[in-house]
Amino acid sequence: DGQLMESGGGLVQPGRSLRLSCAASGFTFYDYAMHWVRQISGKGLEWVSGMSGDGGMIDYSDSVKGRFVISRDNAKRSLYLQMDNLRPEDTALYYCAISSGGYFGDIDIWGPGTLVTVSS
Amino acid sequence: EVVLTQSPGTLSLSPGQRATLSCRASQSITGNSLAWYQQKPGQAPRLLMYAISSRATGIPDRFSGTGSGTDFTLTISSLEPQDFAMYHCHQYGSSPHSFGQGTKLELK
Repeated sequence: DGQLMESGGGLVQPGRSLRLSCAASGFTFYDYAMHWVRQISGKGLEWVSGMSGDGGMIDYSDSVKGRFVISRDNAKRSLYLQMDNLRPEDTALYYCAISSGGYFGDIDIWGPGTLVTVSS
Repeated sequence: EVVLTQSPGTLSLSPGQRATLSCRASQSITGNSLAWYQQKPGQAPRLLMYAISSRATGIPDRFSGTGSGTDFTLTISSLEPQDFAMYHCHQYGSSPHSFGQGTKLELK
């Protein structure tokens, strides 16, 4: 079974940057679309960004567009999220997730998440 | 962007009862691309249903999904103690993807 493990979360001041990473194992990484989904404590899920296996399809939620950049390195079996100009409202648990059915597919597997806290 | 609205926000029921959770979309969902996830405290979400009505691997048949267009329902026919959790709907037929705000199913 596929597994995901996020890293890179932490406490950061407003306006600063952070880069999240997601290491994948147990599946053919380049075949799968990948997503970042976040969750404010106890609240609903918010889709942040997604990328197809070949990188040809990329999109962002309006709340992060222009500030966050998703990327992947298929050779390293890793997904990244570069987060710039962070705001307090970006504070959340960030999940890495995969869609085996392609970019327009349900999310099959989730990582445990990495916590990002934006505060002065 | 498709906005999903889940109702109720909280549902209080007892084991053995039937649970009906709603997910309404602001526009018609493309290609039956509607999924449901279950999430327990301290855990990542788990896929329950995809393509409106298909159960994910290992999901018991007391869970069922119905609906079309803009209105979708997750039904749990007879609640088991382990079913009390948060439930999220997700549309993946158009970009950006979107989730509902969640329904908390709590023990009455």
